[in-house]
Amino acid sequence: EPEVTQTPSHQVTQMGQEVILRCVPISNHLYFYWYRQILGQKVEFLVSFYNNEISEKSEIFDDQFSVERPDGSNFTLKIRSTKLEDSAMYFCASGGGERDWGDEQFFGPGTRLTVL
Amino acid sequence: LAKTTQPISMDSYEGQEVNITCSHNNIATNDYITWYQQFPSQGPRFIIQGYKTKVTNEVASLFIPADRKSSTLSLPRVSLSDTAVYYCLYGGLTGGGNKLTFGTGTQLKVEL
Repeated sequence: EPEVTQTPSHQVTQMGQEVILRCVPISNHLYFYWYRQILGQKVEFLVSFYNNEISEKSEIFDDQFSVERPDGSNFTLKIRSTKLEDSAMYFCASGGGERDWGDEQFFGPGTRLTVL
Repeated sequence: LAKTTQPISMDSYEGQEVNITCSHNNIATNDYITWYQQFPSQGPRFIIQGYKTKVTNEVASLFIPADRKSSTLSLPRVSLSDTAVYYCLYGGLTGGGNKLTFGTGTQLKVEL
C-alpha cells in the first residue's frame, strides 16, 4: 500500500537556525499539506499546496515558513529562523482529489522538531 | 470555523461495541462528515466519511440522523489496538484541497 514518507524522523536544532523538513507524498496525489501538533495539543493546519502553488495557509504559516515542491516527488517545509515555540511534530499529508465531495488525506509518520 | 463537540474520553473493554457521538450544529448543506483516528506519535488516519444515513466499511460504521447535526462513529468489537484519539470533522464540497480542522478529539481507552 502506498504511503507518505517523511525525513528526518527527529530534528534537533538551535534557535534561529533554518530547518527543512522533507516529505514524499503518494505518487499520484495532487494535493499536499503540512500540519503540526505541539505536544499534548490538537493537530493544526499550516498550509495546502496544489498545482505548484499555495492554495490556503493558516495564520501560523507566517513569513518564516515556506513550502516547495522542487521535483516531481518531494514536498518540503522550510522554517527560516526557528523559535522555541516551533517545537512540535510536523505532519505531511497528501490527497488524491479524486472524490468530488471531499478528500481523504493520507498522513506521514511525522518529523519531531525540537528547537533548543 | 468548523467546530464540533465530542466527549473528551471514553473507556471500553475488548470485544465491546463503542459508539462515539459528535455534535456539529452548524453543519452546512454541502458539508461531509469525516472521522480520523490517531495513535500516539503517529499521523491521523482516515476511518470513514459520510453525508447522511448510514455508511459502513471494513473497520467502522457511521450513523448520521436526518438533521445531520450529529453523527455517531461505531466501532464493533474493539480490541486493545483501537486505543487512540478519534476526531470528528466536517467540511465542504471542495473536490479536494480542503484543509482539515481538528478538534481535541475523543481519547478511547480499551482494556482487557
